Amino acid sequence: GAGVSQTPSNKVTEKGKYVELRCDPISGHTALYWYRQSLGQGPEFLIYFQGTGAADDSGLPNDRFFAVRPEGSVSTLKIQRTERGDSAVYLCASSLSRNYEQYFGPGTRLTVT
Amino acid sequence: AQTVTQSQPEMSVQEAETVTLSCTYDTSESNYYLFWYKQPPSRQMILVIRQEAYKQQNATENRFSVNFQKAAKSFSLKISDSQLGDTAMYFCAFMKPQTGANSKLTFGKGITLSVRP
Repeated sequence: GAGVSQTPSNKVTEKGKYVELRCDPISGHTALYWYRQSLGQGPEFLIYFQGTGAADDSGLPNDRFFAVRPEGSVSTLKIQRTERGDSAVYLCASSLSRNYEQYFGPGTRLTVT
Repeated sequence: AQTVTQSQPEMSVQEAETVTLSCTYDTSESNYYLFWYKQPPSRQMILVIRQEAYKQQNATENRFSVNFQKAAKSFSLKISDSQLGDTAMYFCAFMKPQTGANSKLTFGKGITLSVRP
């Protein structure tokens, strides 16, 4: 079956602009995660959804970052007033409920100029 | 808070040889999961192997095996018969399971493994 997909693959934006990054999880996976991977680092947790609700948003760095999952499937990560420090690869993962294996998408590389 | 440390930034191995990647972690939890993920240049993270802390037996998956030392908080990955396709970044990760729910992963900084032909 289809894996986790993320769009766009690459996004270049100017400092101060608003961006949206989309994640399509594996069909039937109720849990969805967002991670951010800076150059030369491991992924860092941002937010986790169980169904439509954010079960843990402790990793969001500040209030410029927001994520939604209105129908319990596709999720959008929204970044307002982008800064150069937001440049990174944003990874999405999904898993079955109460299953510890997370399946990752290919990521969106965000570059803020 | 949990931390995961991968102190070797890079390693290189000859094709068909064996290589061991190191990982240490710090936690006060007694029940947790440890993982090794592979990230090739395509950026897609792929699960290599998983270890439950309550299991004494080391996990194995074909050419991949772990040496889990719970008291020492060490979790190394051994790759046998290395293949060119093993060239990638490898990340060690920790998960504290939540009752009745899913949980986030905490990753190390990763190690770049190059397999030489």
